[in-house]
Amino acid sequence: DQQVKQNSPSLSVQEGRISILNCDYTNSMFDYFLWYKKYPAEGPTFLISISSIKDKNEDGRFTVFLNKSAKHLSLHIVPSQPGDSAVYFCAASNRDNQGGKLIFGQGTELSVKP
Amino acid sequence: ETGVTQTPRHLVMGMTNKKSLKCEQHLGHNAMYWYKQSAKKPLELMFVYNFKEQTENNSVPSRFSPECPNSSHLFLHLHTLQPEDSALYLCASSLTPGQGEQYFGPGTRLTVT
Repeated sequence: DQQVKQNSPSLSVQEGRISILNCDYTNSMFDYFLWYKKYPAEGPTFLISISSIKDKNEDGRFTVFLNKSAKHLSLHIVPSQPGDSAVYFCAASNRDNQGGKLIFGQGTELSVKP
Repeated sequence: ETGVTQTPRHLVMGMTNKKSLKCEQHLGHNAMYWYKQSAKKPLELMFVYNFKEQTENNSVPSRFSPECPNSSHLFLHLHTLQPEDSALYLCASSLTPGQGEQYFGPGTRLTVT
């Protein structure tokens, strides 16, 4: 049973427009959420995180929104750039009880067209 | 530049071979992790080490044997693997388990023939 799901395997966006990547989770005990970005032949790179006490966290062009009641988080990239083309993974953890265990989604491949 | 390095980057081995994957982190972290990523699947946590002590084994078959001699180095010893073990093996580290983000190495692409 997959606790973190990214239902869109791919997304294509025009350069300059907004990219919205979605992630759903089932475990209400998760209290920390992260987004990672992965280029081919490289390991995932940490992008942005959010604690469950917040509903929004912003870092430059990247904003993560958390809707706890819907068990849904999203990553907004605006404006999108061709260099943002990569696979994006969301991950979740329960920091008190899981000992650092991150549960990852399957990933969404973002393609930003010039 | 990543503070987590992994060698080798690519490995092809037969089912009767014994090989080892190596991970080294230069970030001063105390927790290290092994993950497996198979095609079209999420990253799967295999092992967690905290201050050289294994704190989690996520039901990994015994043909995978981890070793953590110190907080900076992590090994994954492989023997009698199966073709379905072919995957990308990723090492990560964090300040402590559950605290701080995990930083990943580039991975070892393993093919078992």
